[in-house]
Amino acid sequence: AQSVTQLDSHVSVSEGTPVLLRCNYSSSYSPSLFWYVQHPNKGLQLLLKYTSAATLVKGINGFEAEFKKSETSFHLTKPSAHMSDAAEYFCVVISNAGKSTFGDGTTLTVKP
Amino acid sequence: KAGVTQTPRYLIKTRGQQVTLSCSPISGHRSVSWYQQTPGQGLQFLFEYFSETQRNKGNFPGRFSGRQFSNSRSEMNVSTLELGDSALYLCASSSVEVTGELFFGEGSRLTVL
Repeated sequence: AQSVTQLDSHVSVSEGTPVLLRCNYSSSYSPSLFWYVQHPNKGLQLLLKYTSAATLVKGINGFEAEFKKSETSFHLTKPSAHMSDAAEYFCVVISNAGKSTFGDGTTLTVKP
Repeated sequence: KAGVTQTPRYLIKTRGQQVTLSCSPISGHRSVSWYQQTPGQGLQFLFEYFSETQRNKGNFPGRFSGRQFSNSRSEMNVSTLELGDSALYLCASSSVEVTGELFFGEGSRLTVL
């Protein structure tokens, strides 16, 4: 069985300050981990993915995430938030059998 | 390359009716997954099809069904609609060569009155 826990349902930051969105997972095998972003009334867009290569993964729009097996975490970070980053973010684990499990999502608010 | 296309984008039905939603994946993608998104339950996996076969299934009642055609296009059907079926239904396609990377459509927003 696999599961994903996004530790914060809402995160609010000021423009230009760092962003940290937290994700813990559990899986009985080596999973593939992803972060997706969803803007209002849109589908999800892939930000970045971890598939057992480098533990520090760089994605689009300046986001990156670090896979820490010992902590079963895959936190998403960005050094400087932009207003356009305001959206909902999903951490996802996908098994090698193709089954996907989504976290509950974190809503990021960026204040001017 | 064209993205994932879902039709219709918006629809309104009444309780007891049935609905069929369509998803055209990215050309060359053979896997199509369906998800239900609601404010209360979040994003929930419905089922996944690969080469016309259902490969994975989530925990939804039998009123929710799907199929995939030989051209990889997929449809999902919900029969005997309930108010709680109001949701954004998202479809995603993926390539066999890139495990797990999902490409999403913009969704079909279903309202059940």
